[in-house]
Amino acid sequence: DSGVTQTPKHLITATGQRVTLRCSPRSGDLSVYWYQQSLDQGLQFLIQYYNGEERAKGNILERFSAQQFPDLHSELNLSSLELGDSALYFCASSLGTVSNQPQHFGDGTRLSIL
Amino acid sequence: AQKVTQAQTEISVVEKEDVTLDCVYETRDTTYYLFWYKQPPSGELVFLIRRNSFDEQNEISGRYSWNFQKSTSSFNFTITASQVVDSAVYFCALSVAGGTASKLTFGTGTRLQVTL
Repeated sequence: DSGVTQTPKHLITATGQRVTLRCSPRSGDLSVYWYQQSLDQGLQFLIQYYNGEERAKGNILERFSAQQFPDLHSELNLSSLELGDSALYFCASSLGTVSNQPQHFGDGTRLSIL
Repeated sequence: AQKVTQAQTEISVVEKEDVTLDCVYETRDTTYYLFWYKQPPSGELVFLIRRNSFDEQNEISGRYSWNFQKSTSSFNFTITASQVVDSAVYFCALSVAGGTASKLTFGTGTRLQVTL
C-alpha cells in the first residue's frame, strides 16, 4: 500500500461528459502529480501541484484542469470527454519538489468513455 | 528534453532464469535521477529504486540488482532466479534536478512474463 488514495477506481461515462478524479496524497507529502497512461501514449505527465500551487504542466489538454486543496488532496477535472480520453489516470505524491524524491503512486482511476 | 528508451517490449523467461531489462536515457542535465517502477497485472505502480547521477555504484536488493553506467547512459535492471510473481511491466523513469518541477519521464515499459 503506497498510502496514496485515488477514487473512484473505475469510471464509465459517455462522450461530452465531465468527470472529477480525486486523490489523497501520502501523509506528510506536499507534492501531488497526475499522470495519464494510455496504450498509444504510454505514461505521460500531466500536472504537478505543491502545497496548493501549480508547479509544472506537461501534456495536459485545455479540457483538463486540476487543483490542490488546503488539506492537500487534489482533483483532476476532465470535461468534454472524447473517446481518446479513455485511459488509466494515476496520482502520485512526494514529500516536496526535489527531483530525487521518489513519487509514490495510487492505484489509478480507470476511465472508460463509451 | 529528456528521453527514456526501453527497447525490449516483451520478455518471456522460465522460472529461475536470470533476466536483464535494459534502459537507456537521454538528458543534457548533469544532475538527474533514475528510477525503476513495477506495474503488476493488478495495475498499480510500485517504486523499486532510485539512483543519483553522481553515484555509479551498483546496487543489489535480494534477487534484484541495478547496473548504472553513465558512459553508456544506461540503467539496467537484473532479476536473478526469476519467479512467477515477477511477471509485470517494468518502467524506467528519469527526472532532472533544478527548476520547480520534478516530473518523471517514463520509458515505454518492458513486459516480463515468467512461466513455470
